[in-house]
Amino acid sequence: GAVVSQHPSWVICKSGTSVKIECRSLDFQATTMFWYRQFPKQSLMLMATSNEGSKATYEQGVEKDKFLINHASLTLSTLTVTSAHPEDSSFYICSAMTGGLESSPLHFGNGTRLTVT
Amino acid sequence: GQNIDQPTEMTATEGAIVQINCTYQTSGFNGLFWYQQHAGEAPTFLSYNVLDGLEEKGRFSSFLSRSKGYSYLLLKELQMKDSASYLCAVRDGHYKLSFGAGTTVTVRA
Repeated sequence: GAVVSQHPSWVICKSGTSVKIECRSLDFQATTMFWYRQFPKQSLMLMATSNEGSKATYEQGVEKDKFLINHASLTLSTLTVTSAHPEDSSFYICSAMTGGLESSPLHFGNGTRLTVT
Repeated sequence: GQNIDQPTEMTATEGAIVQINCTYQTSGFNGLFWYQQHAGEAPTFLSYNVLDGLEEKGRFSSFLSRSKGYSYLLLKELQMKDSASYLCAVRDGHYKLSFGAGTTVTVRA
């Protein structure tokens, strides 16, 4: 089955620093990847859609200068949380689709738990 | 925007059947998905419906009625390992996938 690898699994950083999260599709090419955020006991909220070779599309309320997304190849998208603050502490999950859009489910990475102290 | 509703919690006994309902209102429709998520882990794909009717996959079945904006996930022969959160997700006319808040299912012995 389709495998999406996300790294790191967890990270603790100090307030004001930046953190980069990588999302890789291991056995397929993903022209589109999605970044979600999940706070405890809440559902996944779409942050942005990452398109290979072009700018990401951000959801309303998500600061594009704070959450930098780069999708430089068909198998890698990165999310950089810049100048992190404690309120950015959350579970960040990337996902990708295989094949055509019509019936493809999203396959998720294992997520990154970010704690900002 | 999307409006996806599902119950917050359900409890059932091992070996029993549980049905999780999901109602939705979306701008366009390109399929409904069910995912299972264990605490602290990423969601795993369970089922996909785009046409009306029932899709069966082993112990799990999912039903869709597009005219009613309604779906359910049926879990049969419940096992302890089925204790998890079940997420209903709808893909809209722009192929964007939005999730409901999730239903936490607790299976008791």
